[in-house]
Amino acid sequence: AQKITQTQPGMFVQEKEAVTLDCTYDTSDQSYGLFWYKQPSSGEMIFLIYQGSYDEQNATEGRYSLNFQKARKSANLVISASQLGDSAMYFCAMEAQAGTALIFGKGTTLSVSS
Amino acid sequence: DAGVTQSPTHLIKTRGQQVTLRCSPISGHKSVSWYQQVLGQGPQFIFQYYEKEERGRGNFPDRFSARQFPNYSSELNVNALLLGDSALYLCASSLVFFLARMNTEAFFGQGTRLTVV
Repeated sequence: AQKITQTQPGMFVQEKEAVTLDCTYDTSDQSYGLFWYKQPSSGEMIFLIYQGSYDEQNATEGRYSLNFQKARKSANLVISASQLGDSAMYFCAMEAQAGTALIFGKGTTLSVSS
Repeated sequence: DAGVTQSPTHLIKTRGQQVTLRCSPISGHKSVSWYQQVLGQGPQFIFQYYEKEERGRGNFPDRFSARQFPNYSSELNVNALLLGDSALYLCASSLVFFLARMNTEAFFGQGTRLTVV
């Protein structure tokens, strides 16, 4: 069965600090994709970063990087130099089979303070 | 370019009623997926359509149905509404229906917040 686990219900960080949001996944498929989305209080899901199972390099997008450890089945999101606008809910998601769309974790609420 | 648009943004319905939610994908996107997000939880997959055909279905009762039109827009219908159907309903569009194979992402709309009373 496909599953995403996010064990941190909430994280607190100060501006300009780095923060790591944890994500572990479970799948028996060899080809899969891992995604991180940000959901502000407005509700819209904003795509942040993607990692394919065959990608050898960790994905990076600006202040976001994905620490992909395939053997441990983890795909942690690292946000460098946090900003107040980063305060939101963050979801890790996986797509492992065609027709199953995205499977989401329960999310982590990130709060950034000044 | 316009993003994914959903209508209405908010909706209040009574138990037992029926509701139709609408989604217009990004121009050129042929895949539309629907998700239900209950407060405090991650989105749960309901349906996926690609080229007007159903390509996937999540673990939801038959009260939930959907379709995709020739212009790739989509509707989600929920019959016999229950209090537990109160949620944010999200629509996502993408170029393909298997994101991982094409190294691409899904783009989400702002959602329809349904309240059943």
